[in-house]
Amino acid sequence: SQQGEEDPQALSIQEGENATMNCSYKTSINNLQWYRQNSGRGLVHLILIRSNEREKHSGRLRVTLDTSKKSSSLLITASRAADTASYFCATDPDSNYQLIWGAGTKLIIKP
Amino acid sequence: DVKVTQSSRYLVKRTGEKVFLECVQDMDHENMFWYRQDPGLGLRLIYFSYDVKMKEKGDIPEGYSVSREKKERFSLILESASTNQTSMYLCASSQGAGVGYTFGSGTRLTVV
Repeated sequence: SQQGEEDPQALSIQEGENATMNCSYKTSINNLQWYRQNSGRGLVHLILIRSNEREKHSGRLRVTLDTSKKSSSLLITASRAADTASYFCATDPDSNYQLIWGAGTKLIIKP
Repeated sequence: DVKVTQSSRYLVKRTGEKVFLECVQDMDHENMFWYRQDPGLGLRLIYFSYDVKMKEKGDIPEGYSVSREKKERFSLILESASTNQTSMYLCASSQGAGVGYTFGSGTRLTVV
Protein backbone atom coordinates (compact mmCIF):
# COMPACT_ATOMS: atom_id res chain seq x y z
CA SER A 1 0.00 0.00 0.00
CA GLN A 2 1.24 3.51 -0.67
CA GLN A 3 0.75 6.48 1.54
CA GLY A 4 3.54 8.79 0.48
CA GLU A 5 3.01 11.24 -2.32
CA GLU A 6 6.07 12.88 -3.78
CA ASP A 7 5.92 16.24 -5.40
CA PRO A 8 6.87 17.03 -8.07
CA GLN A 9 6.71 13.82 -10.09
CA ALA A 10 9.59 15.06 -12.21
CA LEU A 11 12.13 17.84 -11.81
CA SER A 12 14.76 19.06 -14.26
CA ILE A 13 17.37 21.59 -13.14
CA GLN A 14 20.79 22.87 -14.14
CA GLU A 15 23.90 21.45 -12.54
CA GLY A 16 24.87 23.52 -9.52
CA GLU A 17 21.30 24.49 -8.64
CA ASN A 18 19.48 23.20 -5.58
CA ALA A 19 16.77 20.56 -5.93
CA THR A 20 13.84 20.29 -3.55
CA MET A 21 11.45 17.37 -3.41
CA ASN A 22 8.46 17.02 -1.14
CA CYS A 23 6.68 14.08 0.39
CA SER A 24 3.29 14.03 2.06
CA TYR A 25 1.83 11.13 4.01
CA LYS A 26 -1.42 10.23 5.70
CA THR A 27 -0.91 8.41 8.99
CA SER A 28 1.25 9.04 12.03
CA ILE A 29 4.77 7.74 11.69
CA ASN A 30 7.79 6.65 13.69
CA ASN A 31 10.23 7.75 11.04
CA LEU A 32 10.48 8.81 7.42
CA GLN A 33 13.22 7.72 5.05
CA TRP A 34 14.53 8.91 1.70
CA TYR A 35 16.02 6.63 -0.92
CA ARG A 36 17.67 7.16 -4.29
CA GLN A 37 17.34 4.85 -7.29
CA ASN A 38 19.56 5.14 -10.30
CA SER A 39 18.02 3.94 -13.54
CA GLY A 40 17.47 0.19 -13.56
CA ARG A 41 19.15 -0.38 -10.22
CA GLY A 42 18.19 -1.05 -6.62
CA LEU A 43 17.38 1.66 -4.11
CA VAL A 44 19.99 3.25 -1.87
CA HIS A 45 19.10 4.48 1.59
CA LEU A 46 19.98 8.17 1.98
CA ILE A 47 18.67 9.42 5.28
CA LEU A 48 16.24 8.57 8.07
CA ILE A 49 14.50 11.19 10.17
CA ARG A 50 12.57 10.23 13.29
CA SER A 51 9.22 11.69 14.20
CA ASN A 52 10.72 13.74 17.05
CA GLU A 53 13.29 15.35 14.75
CA ARG A 54 12.64 18.39 12.60
CA GLU A 55 15.72 18.56 10.44
CA LYS A 56 18.63 16.35 9.50
CA HIS A 57 21.71 16.82 7.34
CA SER A 58 23.96 14.42 5.49
CA GLY A 59 26.56 15.96 3.21
CA ARG A 60 24.68 17.92 0.54
CA LEU A 61 21.34 16.52 1.70
CA ARG A 62 18.99 18.28 4.05
CA VAL A 63 15.74 16.69 5.16
CA THR A 64 12.98 18.40 7.09
CA LEU A 65 9.97 16.84 8.72
CA ASP A 66 6.76 18.57 9.74
CA THR A 67 4.58 16.05 11.53
CA SER A 68 1.77 18.56 12.00
CA LYS A 69 1.47 18.87 8.22
CA LYS A 70 2.45 15.26 7.61
CA SER A 71 5.09 16.31 5.15
CA SER A 72 8.81 16.13 4.52
CA SER A 73 11.20 17.73 2.10
CA LEU A 74 14.52 16.64 0.68
CA LEU A 75 16.91 19.36 -0.43
CA ILE A 76 19.96 18.52 -2.51
CA THR A 77 22.33 21.46 -2.65
CA ALA A 78 24.81 22.21 -5.44
CA SER A 79 23.42 19.43 -7.64
CA ARG A 80 25.68 17.29 -9.81
CA ALA A 81 25.03 15.17 -12.87
CA ALA A 82 25.46 12.09 -10.67
CA ASP A 83 22.42 13.14 -8.65
CA THR A 84 20.23 12.27 -11.65
CA ALA A 85 17.99 9.53 -10.26
CA SER A 86 14.56 8.84 -8.84
CA TYR A 87 14.03 9.75 -5.20
CA PHE A 88 11.53 7.97 -2.98
CA CYS A 89 10.21 8.71 0.45
CA ALA A 90 9.09 5.88 2.68
CA THR A 91 7.28 6.07 5.98
CA ASP A 92 7.47 3.70 8.91
CA PRO A 93 4.00 3.94 10.45
CA ASP A 94 4.42 1.74 13.48
CA SER A 95 7.78 0.00 13.30
CA ASN A 96 6.23 -3.26 12.23
CA TYR A 97 9.03 -3.90 9.73
CA GLN A 98 7.11 -2.62 6.72
CA LEU A 99 7.71 0.68 5.01
CA ILE A 100 5.04 2.51 3.04
CA TRP A 101 6.40 3.93 -0.21
CA GLY A 102 5.68 6.97 -2.29
CA ALA A 103 5.68 6.95 -6.09
CA GLY A 104 8.94 8.86 -6.41
CA THR A 105 10.32 12.05 -7.95
CA LYS A 106 12.42 11.74 -11.08
CA LEU A 107 15.27 14.25 -10.90
CA ILE A 108 17.29 15.19 -13.97
CA ILE A 109 20.38 17.33 -13.64
CA LYS A 110 21.33 19.05 -16.87
CA PRO A 111 25.03 19.73 -17.43
CA ASP B 1 29.10 -2.38 4.02
CA VAL B 2 26.03 -4.54 4.05
CA LYS B 3 25.54 -6.34 0.82
CA VAL B 4 22.35 -7.75 -0.60
CA THR B 5 22.99 -9.89 -3.65
CA GLN B 6 20.35 -10.92 -6.14
CA SER B 7 21.37 -13.86 -8.25
CA SER B 8 20.45 -12.45 -11.66
CA ARG B 9 20.26 -8.94 -13.13
CA TYR B 10 18.21 -10.04 -16.13
CA LEU B 11 16.09 -13.13 -16.60
CA VAL B 12 13.85 -14.29 -19.42
CA LYS B 13 11.42 -17.12 -18.73
CA ARG B 14 8.56 -18.76 -20.56
CA THR B 15 4.95 -18.67 -19.49
CA GLY B 16 4.18 -21.55 -17.15
CA GLU B 17 7.74 -22.04 -15.95
CA LYS B 18 8.58 -22.20 -12.27
CA VAL B 19 10.97 -19.34 -11.53
CA PHE B 20 13.29 -18.93 -8.56
CA LEU B 21 14.72 -15.54 -7.63
CA GLU B 22 17.44 -15.73 -5.03
CA CYS B 23 18.52 -13.09 -2.56
CA VAL B 24 21.39 -13.32 -0.11
CA GLN B 25 22.47 -10.79 2.53
CA ASP B 26 25.74 -10.90 4.42
CA MET B 27 25.10 -8.85 7.57
CA ASP B 28 22.93 -11.10 9.69
CA HIS B 29 19.82 -8.99 9.16
CA GLU B 30 16.62 -10.28 10.69
CA ASN B 31 14.19 -8.94 8.13
CA MET B 32 14.05 -9.55 4.41
CA PHE B 33 11.61 -8.31 1.80
CA TRP B 34 10.60 -8.92 -1.80
CA TYR B 35 9.11 -6.09 -3.85
CA ARG B 36 8.13 -5.66 -7.42
CA GLN B 37 8.42 -2.32 -9.14
CA ASP B 38 6.36 -1.34 -12.15
CA PRO B 39 6.11 2.03 -13.91
CA GLY B 40 3.34 4.12 -12.41
CA LEU B 41 2.70 1.63 -9.58
CA GLY B 42 5.77 2.20 -7.44
CA LEU B 43 7.12 -0.45 -5.08
CA ARG B 44 4.68 -3.12 -4.04
CA LEU B 45 5.47 -5.57 -1.27
CA ILE B 46 5.06 -9.22 -2.24
CA TYR B 47 6.28 -11.05 0.87
CA PHE B 48 8.49 -10.40 3.83
CA SER B 49 10.16 -12.43 6.54
CA TYR B 50 11.30 -11.37 9.99
CA ASP B 51 12.89 -14.66 10.98
CA VAL B 52 14.06 -17.95 9.57
CA LYS B 53 11.16 -20.05 8.36
CA MET B 54 8.77 -17.15 8.99
CA LYS B 55 6.96 -15.42 6.17
CA GLU B 56 4.24 -12.85 5.91
CA LYS B 57 2.15 -11.85 2.91
CA GLY B 58 2.55 -8.36 1.61
CA ASP B 59 0.16 -6.46 -0.61
CA ILE B 60 0.36 -8.64 -3.72
CA PRO B 61 1.28 -12.25 -2.79
CA GLU B 62 -0.90 -13.96 -5.38
CA GLY B 63 1.10 -16.10 -7.78
CA TYR B 64 4.18 -16.01 -5.57
CA SER B 65 5.64 -17.97 -2.69
CA VAL B 66 8.80 -17.57 -0.65
CA SER B 67 11.29 -19.65 1.26
CA ARG B 68 13.60 -18.69 4.08
CA GLU B 69 15.45 -21.78 5.26
CA LYS B 70 18.55 -19.84 6.34
CA LYS B 71 18.79 -16.37 7.81
CA GLU B 72 20.87 -14.99 4.97
CA ARG B 73 18.79 -16.29 2.07
CA PHE B 74 15.29 -15.33 1.00
CA SER B 75 13.96 -16.87 -2.19
CA LEU B 76 11.00 -15.72 -4.24
CA ILE B 77 9.22 -18.37 -6.26
CA LEU B 78 6.88 -17.81 -9.16
CA GLU B 79 4.93 -21.04 -9.21
CA SER B 80 3.80 -20.71 -12.83
CA ALA B 81 5.14 -17.59 -14.48
CA SER B 82 2.73 -15.42 -16.37
CA THR B 83 3.31 -12.41 -18.61
CA ASN B 84 1.80 -10.08 -16.00
CA GLN B 85 4.68 -11.00 -13.72
CA THR B 86 7.12 -9.28 -16.04
CA SER B 87 8.65 -6.70 -13.74
CA MET B 88 11.65 -5.48 -11.79
CA TYR B 89 12.02 -7.51 -8.59
CA LEU B 90 13.82 -5.98 -5.67
CA CYS B 91 15.05 -7.73 -2.55
CA ALA B 92 15.82 -5.79 0.63
CA SER B 93 16.94 -6.50 4.16
CA SER B 94 16.97 -4.59 7.43
CA GLN B 95 18.36 -5.09 10.90
CA GLY B 96 15.09 -4.47 12.68
CA ALA B 97 12.21 -2.10 12.99
CA GLY B 98 12.86 1.61 12.64
CA VAL B 99 15.98 1.36 10.49
CA GLY B 100 16.71 1.75 6.80
CA TYR B 101 16.61 -1.00 4.23
CA THR B 102 19.49 -2.26 2.14
CA PHE B 103 18.45 -3.23 -1.36
CA GLY B 104 19.91 -5.56 -3.92
CA SER B 105 20.53 -4.40 -7.49
CA GLY B 106 17.28 -5.87 -8.72
CA THR B 107 16.30 -8.59 -11.18
CA ARG B 108 14.50 -7.56 -14.32
CA LEU B 109 12.31 -10.52 -15.19
CA THR B 110 10.65 -10.87 -18.55
CA VAL B 111 8.07 -13.62 -19.03
CA VAL B 112 7.37 -14.45 -22.67
